[in-house]
Amino acid sequence: DVKVTQSSRYLVKRTGEKVFLECVQDMDHENMFWYRQDPGLGLRLIYFSYDVKMKEKGDIPEGYSVSREKKERFSLILESASTNQTSMYLCASTPGGTDYGYTFGSGTRLTVV
Amino acid sequence: KNEVEQSPQNLTAQEGEFITINCSYSVGISALHWLQQHPGGGIVSLFMLSSGKKKHGRLIATINIQEKHSSLHITASHPRDSAVYICAVWAQKLVFGQGTRLTINP
Repeated sequence: DVKVTQSSRYLVKRTGEKVFLECVQDMDHENMFWYRQDPGLGLRLIYFSYDVKMKEKGDIPEGYSVSREKKERFSLILESASTNQTSMYLCASTPGGTDYGYTFGSGTRLTVV
Repeated sequence: KNEVEQSPQNLTAQEGEFITINCSYSVGISALHWLQQHPGGGIVSLFMLSSGKKKHGRLIATINIQEKHSSLHITASHPRDSAVYICAVWAQKLVFGQGTRLTINP
């Protein structure tokens, strides 16, 4: 089975801290995605990547950056965490195209205090 | 108006009941996904379909491309089916519905 592993299930950080959320997939998927999920707003795309060292902004990229130095790893970076970035963060991967399902990680619930 | 609308938003039923969750979308799509999210956050992909019907165990998903509508059915529902069910459509990116919170009481 494809696995998408997110490094932390729960994280508490202070306002202004730099935060790294890590996502690793083990099936050589081309595409990786970072979403945040908030009550009443559903899942919203932050950034995605179709290849190593390639990144594209999603719908809500402000306050975030990403890094994809290796195919299997896609990192989400909060340069200076703020309380409005308290959310559930979900990573997903897919082999590409429209003919494949998405595999999601277990999520990281980030609280910024 | 959201591009993907699910109904109902919340559904509570008794064990054994037949469950239907609906998804309507307003954009042209190439595929539709049904996802399941249990408390704790992880999301599991249940189905991806672009036409017709798919079945997996007690779960059945149908799609009508002309009417831009999909349904997820659960037969003989069980408390372990309690979760949030999310419809998502691929329209140059994945667009998600708000989710339907299903609670099955024993």
